[in-house]
Amino acid sequence: GESVGLHLPTLSVQEGDNSIINCAYSNSASDYFIWYKQESGKGPQFIIDIRSNMDKRQGQRVTVLLNKTVKHLSLQIAATQPGDSAVYFCAENRPTDSWGKFQFGAGTQVVVTP
Amino acid sequence: DTAVSQTPKYLVTQMGNDKSIKCEQNLGHDTMYWYKQDSKKFLKIMFSYNNKELIINETVPNRFSPKSPDKAHLNLHINSLELGDSAVYFCASSPGNINEKLFFGSGTQLSVL
Repeated sequence: GESVGLHLPTLSVQEGDNSIINCAYSNSASDYFIWYKQESGKGPQFIIDIRSNMDKRQGQRVTVLLNKTVKHLSLQIAATQPGDSAVYFCAENRPTDSWGKFQFGAGTQVVVTP
Repeated sequence: DTAVSQTPKYLVTQMGNDKSIKCEQNLGHDTMYWYKQDSKKFLKIMFSYNNKELIINETVPNRFSPKSPDKAHLNLHINSLELGDSAVYFCASSPGNINEKLFFGSGTQLSVL
């Protein structure tokens, strides 16, 4: 399934399927992007990052794609598991921003169903 | 061992009171932050400190005063609490010498009644 992640929509995914979470970022000058996962009652946890000199980066079961032309970022989760249920945030950092000053998207709630 | 720890986890208080939230990181990072998450899950930076010096202050009301006694600690003191201060406050840290990911604490849920 797919979802746009700026207004906390809910993405319902069946266990074992692939998930795609989308994010439209705001500033064409942004050069560093991170995906975070936040489980209920916990702080955001780093999943994967990508810098603007790359289009794609892969981690364990996750892939981030960056399309600078349309200012679009996506997170793909392969073989989604119940433990993937969480809110997912994209975050961007601009060259003019101080380190650690990230602009966060509103998040996408992912619900994994058996 | 928890990398970024903040206390308390929950804080319930009356309007007008003064309260503090403490944060400690054992990652050896140079930079620490306070982020605020509202009821719609929106995360926004409030402050950052690098080696005890204030780097970012995002037009937060001056009722909020961060204090960094050393680079491993960043506390947040809030005076004259208002209903609108109710939120989850997250402490975070990063190495600070390059633009890198943030490590977040587990949050302090503040409820002002």
